[in-house]
Amino acid sequence: QQQVKQSPQSLIVQKGGISIINCAYENTAFDYFPWYQQFPGKGPALLIAIRPDVSEKKEGRFTISFNKSAKQFSLHIMDSQPGDSATYFCAASTSNTGNQFYFGTGTSLTVIP
Amino acid sequence: KAGVTQTPRYLIKTRGQQVTLSCSPISGHRSVSWYQQTPGQGLQFLFEYFSETQRNKGNFPGRFSGRQFSNSRSEMNVSTLELGDSALYLCASSRTGTPGAFFGQGTRLTVV
Repeated sequence: QQQVKQSPQSLIVQKGGISIINCAYENTAFDYFPWYQQFPGKGPALLIAIRPDVSEKKEGRFTISFNKSAKQFSLHIMDSQPGDSATYFCAASTSNTGNQFYFGTGTSLTVIP
Repeated sequence: KAGVTQTPRYLIKTRGQQVTLSCSPISGHRSVSWYQQTPGQGLQFLFEYFSETQRNKGNFPGRFSGRQFSNSRSEMNVSTLELGDSALYLCASSRTGTPGAFFGQGTRLTVV
């Protein structure tokens, strides 16, 4: 059972455009929602994270939007660059389960120059 | 500050053998968790160790085991390897009280 559902599976965006990746969850006990970026041959790298007490968090060109009532959250990459081409994973965890993360299935992002 | 270090980076084993993977967390990080990454199943949680004790365990068979040492370094062991165990095994560490985990580059295990 996939606890965190992620879409789309792949995404192609023009340089300078906005990339949007969506995730949905069911477990209302989740209270920490990170996004990870993974390049080929590398481990996932923590990009940005949010807790459900805020609706939006922005770090540079990356923004998380969080909708607690809909149990959805999304990653927006503004002014997308070719260097952003990677696989992005959303994840969720609860305070009670430490670093046991439930990951989405990943989105392969390609930014075309 | 050095990141999470996993050794070896690549490993080829024969079905039925056993394997041990090693992980050195970021200095000061006491929590170490392990994940299996495959194209079909994605990233799946194996187990987490904190202060040498297993804190959480994912839904994997008993052939998968781990341990953590007093210096927070961790090892995971897979016995009686199966072809389906071929995967990228990732270790992640985190600091006490701080959410978010930092991953190593992984060990690519191929079972033939």
